[in-house]
Amino acid sequence: AQKVTQAQTEISVVEKEDVTLDCVYETRDTTYYLFWYKQPPSGELVFLIRRNSFDEQNEISGRYSWNFQKSTSSFNFTITASQVVDSAVYFCALSAEDRDDKIIFGKGTRLHILP
Amino acid sequence: NAGVMQNPRHLVRRRGQEARLRCSPMKGHSHVYWYRQLPEEGLKFMVYLQKENIIDESGMPKERFSAEFPKEGPSILRIQQVVRGDSAAYFCASSPRVSGADTQYFGPGTRLTVL
Repeated sequence: AQKVTQAQTEISVVEKEDVTLDCVYETRDTTYYLFWYKQPPSGELVFLIRRNSFDEQNEISGRYSWNFQKSTSSFNFTITASQVVDSAVYFCALSAEDRDDKIIFGKGTRLHILP
Repeated sequence: NAGVMQNPRHLVRRRGQEARLRCSPMKGHSHVYWYRQLPEEGLKFMVYLQKENIIDESGMPKERFSAEFPKEGPSILRIQQVVRGDSAAYFCASSPRVSGADTQYFGPGTRLTVL
């Protein structure tokens, strides 16, 4: 069965601090995809990243970076120099082509950036 | 290229009424997924449709819920005889699904409130 666990329900940090959101996944598929989405207070889902299971290279996009480690089944997300606009709920998610690409979401981590 | 459109954005129904949620996929996308987000929860897969076909409805409640994606027009998620527990945000996503696990593009969601 597929499962995504985001152990941190809620995190608060002061602006400009770095923060890492943890994500651990379970799957028996050999080919799968991992995602992060942001859900700001307005409620829409904002796509941040998709990685496939064969690409373990870490990725950096501006203040965002992602650390994919297959050995520990983790796909952690770090925000550097956090800003108040980063306040949102962040979802880690998993899909597999052999399962019709249905996306399995974690329960989300609510991130508060305090000014 | 317009994104995925959902309407209405907000829908209020009294218990026992019917709710119809519409999703217009991105141009050229023939695959639609519906997800439900209960308050303070992550998104959960409901149903996957292609034009005129239901491919996977394993996440749909057994009663009162139905979905369609006709040859012409939007995909419709229909909830009959709504109850308070149906109050949630309903998101649809579309995909071209040409090869591999193409990224699903999410609509802004419909927020259903049952009084």
